[in-house]
Amino acid sequence: QQKVQQSPESLIVPEGAMTSLNCTFSDSASQYFAWYRQHSGKAPKALMSIFSNGEKEEGRFTIHLNKASLHFSLHIRDSQPSDSALYLCAVSHTGNYKYVFGAGTRLKVIA
Amino acid sequence: AQTIHQWPVAEIKAVGSPLSLGCTIKGKSSPNLYWYWQATGGTLQQLFYSITVGQVESVVQLNLSASRPKDDQFILSTEKLLLSHSGFYLCAWSLPGENSDYTFGSGTRLLVI
Repeated sequence: QQKVQQSPESLIVPEGAMTSLNCTFSDSASQYFAWYRQHSGKAPKALMSIFSNGEKEEGRFTIHLNKASLHFSLHIRDSQPSDSALYLCAVSHTGNYKYVFGAGTRLKVIA
Repeated sequence: AQTIHQWPVAEIKAVGSPLSLGCTIKGKSSPNLYWYWQATGGTLQQLFYSITVGQVESVVQLNLSASRPKDDQFILSTEKLLLSHSGFYLCAWSLPGENSDYTFGSGTRLLVI
């Protein structure tokens, strides 16, 4: 059974700071790793996904995956108040249509 | 462009009453479809998935059922609601095949009293 854990549970950062969110998983055969963002009262929305070791950058967001360490992360450069939301990591496994989501990190960016 | 529409937006229902929630996806042929549930302040829990019309797989047992009567429609239902069914129900779709991003609908907020 895939276990996905996120840290920290919550985070407050000043505007302009670098924010780092972490996700660990238990199944070394996992194939899909993604971050979703959920603003209060809204549905989650996919931010970025990665399939192989390394990193991927899109604008202010960078996702980094280390399968050997069973860990991936999301880094937000120049954090903005509009980035304040619940960040969910999701992990899948080949041959399985089930994505397991972490419990989330609640980020607040203060101006 | 693909659109996903969930209905109703919100419901207040009595314990023991029936429930039917719906989801329609337009602009994408043969999508994978999913139902998720999120308790207030809780983790997203996958309930069902479907990769083809007429076939639905259950992921967890919560006294709920799901059906896919058409390629673009996914229905979640139960004959008898429990208090524990309260929460946020989300439908999502992804491209056929595996390991692609989900696009979620706007969700249905359910309160069982």
